[in-house]
Amino acid sequence: SQKIEQNSEALNIQEGKTATLTCNYTNYSPAYLQWYRQDPGRGPVFLLLIRENEKEKRKERLKVTFDTTLKQSLFHITASQPADSATYLCALGYSTLTFGKGTMLLVSP
Amino acid sequence: DTAVSQTPKYLVTQMGNDKSIKCEQNLGHDTMYWYKQDSKKFLKIMFSYNNKELIINETVPNRFSPKSPDKAHLNLHINSLELGDSAVYFCASSQEGGGDNSPLHFGNGTRLTVT
Repeated sequence: SQKIEQNSEALNIQEGKTATLTCNYTNYSPAYLQWYRQDPGRGPVFLLLIRENEKEKRKERLKVTFDTTLKQSLFHITASQPADSATYLCALGYSTLTFGKGTMLLVSP
Repeated sequence: DTAVSQTPKYLVTQMGNDKSIKCEQNLGHDTMYWYKQDSKKFLKIMFSYNNKELIINETVPNRFSPKSPDKAHLNLHINSLELGDSAVYFCASSQEGGGDNSPLHFGNGTRLTVT
């Protein structure tokens, strides 16, 4: 069966460090992958999109990689700040957009 | 100006009742969606409409009926509410739909509690 896995445990890091979040998938061949940020009580907000023929995408302090052989995407936030604390969701683009459960990131000052 | 707005934000009701959630987008997008986020935080698609036409209907009980009076609105009507319907329901829109890579724009959700 198709699965999207993100770390269920929260990731705790110190301000200024790089946060790395993982999204693994099985039995999918996504044409693209998107990352979203969700704050408590709010809807997800789109951050980045990466296509299957792209290895890496950057936007300001954010970087996403997409390895279709490993079936994995990594999401990096460099120079993390407490304001980056949120839940981050990956979503695979297939016939529809299918979301992972998300990983909570906590950045402490 | 809110891009995707849904009302109400909170909805508490008893089993067996019928309720509606409204959604409007002012982005000029062609496609609108309803997603359900359960207590385990899984965000699952329920319906997708493109220009007022239903294009995706996942395995959702027929107690749930979406209605799209125009492409800027997609309302969700739920009949005979059950305890298991308690969740947060998100409306979203995108420029295109059906498997392309357009980002989704979400509303802030409606927390439905069925007692």
